[in-house]
Amino acid sequence: AQSVAQPEDQVNVAEGNPLTVKCTYSVSGNPYLFWYVQYPNRGLQFLLKYITGDNLVKGSYGFEAEFNKSQTSFHLKKPSALVSDSALYFCAERTGNQFYFGTGTSLTVIP
Amino acid sequence: KAGVTQTPRYLIKTRGQQVTLSCSPISGHRSVSWYQQTPGQGLQFLFEYFSETQRNKGNFPGRFSGRQFSNSRSEMNVSTLELGDSALYLCASSFRQGQFTDTQYFGPGTRLTVL
Repeated sequence: AQSVAQPEDQVNVAEGNPLTVKCTYSVSGNPYLFWYVQYPNRGLQFLLKYITGDNLVKGSYGFEAEFNKSQTSFHLKKPSALVSDSALYFCAERTGNQFYFGTGTSLTVIP
Repeated sequence: KAGVTQTPRYLIKTRGQQVTLSCSPISGHRSVSWYQQTPGQGLQFLFEYFSETQRNKGNFPGRFSGRQFSNSRSEMNVSTLELGDSALYLCASSFRQGQFTDTQYFGPGTRLTVL
């Protein structure tokens, strides 16, 4: 069963505006959650992870994610989008030693 | 540290042939996982190797196989290629100790095209 879901296949945002890419999880207990970004014809790049501790996690390239246990969400955010942020974003959850990836959200930042 | 490397980066084969892809993990990482990525199916887990043993396996036919060497380098093999095997094959390495697996770091992938 899919343990993470990305409800939006595509997100468009204007350059300079804040961006949010959504992810929800369905595992019980304490989830281990990750965000990755993929540029065309490249592998996935690690952005950030939540293991425990502060609900706001800061990562690479100005991205951050907010863990919300009551809403079982782990949304990726950035205060001001850049055109270069246009890419495919994956949310992932680790159960045991296996990673489960969401279906991906394509982000387009419009100049 | 050098990142995860995969060779070759691009490969063109014809139906019925077989192919071997290689992955060298980050130094110190002993867990290597393989994924198949296609536009229609997204990222699908193939298998994971740790300490030269397959630890987890996804839902793929037996034509897909792999192995891991004592230096943690891993290979995956696909026999009797089908058109549907055309995909980006990604390798990810991670530090693993017992029941703890840290972040997966991905290589650039091998783009396989089957004609």
